[in-house]
Amino acid sequence: KAGVTQTPRYLIKTRGQQVTLSCSPISGHRSVSWYQQTPGQGLQFLFEYFSETQRNKGNFPGRFSGRQFSNSRSEMNVSTLELGDSALYLCASSAGDRRNTEAFFGQGTRLTVV
Amino acid sequence: AQSVAQPEDQVNVAEGNPLTVKCTYSVSGNPYLFWYVQYPNRGLQFLLKYITGDNLVKGSYGFEAEFNKSQTSFHLKKPSALVSDSALYFCAVRDNWGGGATNKLIFGTGTLLAVQP
Repeated sequence: KAGVTQTPRYLIKTRGQQVTLSCSPISGHRSVSWYQQTPGQGLQFLFEYFSETQRNKGNFPGRFSGRQFSNSRSEMNVSTLELGDSALYLCASSAGDRRNTEAFFGQGTRLTVV
Repeated sequence: AQSVAQPEDQVNVAEGNPLTVKCTYSVSGNPYLFWYVQYPNRGLQFLLKYITGDNLVKGSYGFEAEFNKSQTSFHLKKPSALVSDSALYFCAVRDNWGGGATNKLIFGTGTLLAVQP
């Protein structure tokens, strides 16, 4: 079974630009969550999508948005990039049922804002 | 609010010795607890979980964790450490605040495990 795939692996953007990151979950998984990892703040939850609906949202500004498609693939978008958005962005895929509760993570997208 | 704490930024252990990485939690209701490992420039790898049942949970790569309700702890253990176990370890709890369905995880700050040969 293929794992969680995130593209691209690395990105360099300029302040003020926008960026879109992509995540393909494990086949059959309906829940996709996004996390931001930085040395200072650690792992912080951005949002979760389940069957194309945003089910939960973290404390991030509206510049951070996401969506999920009918095939469960998800994208997150960051508009008007700031230097502080430089981070490793991780996508996690879950089956979403009571028994299979663990999340499986992709390799991440390393975003650098200059 | 739900939270987990990892009191040690770093744990040093000699290869072949037992290791323990500590985690305590604070949740309302029954906790869903997880351990993940992260190698440099990689995503997180799932090691094990506790939902209910036996307090000693066995996971991948010889790791196990002990759930202790009275001490609200979920420490990660391994009987004999390997140099290749050196990595960043995260404890996490599923956020059941509000009672709604979610897979949102709240992570600890991470513990760097260094195994010396």
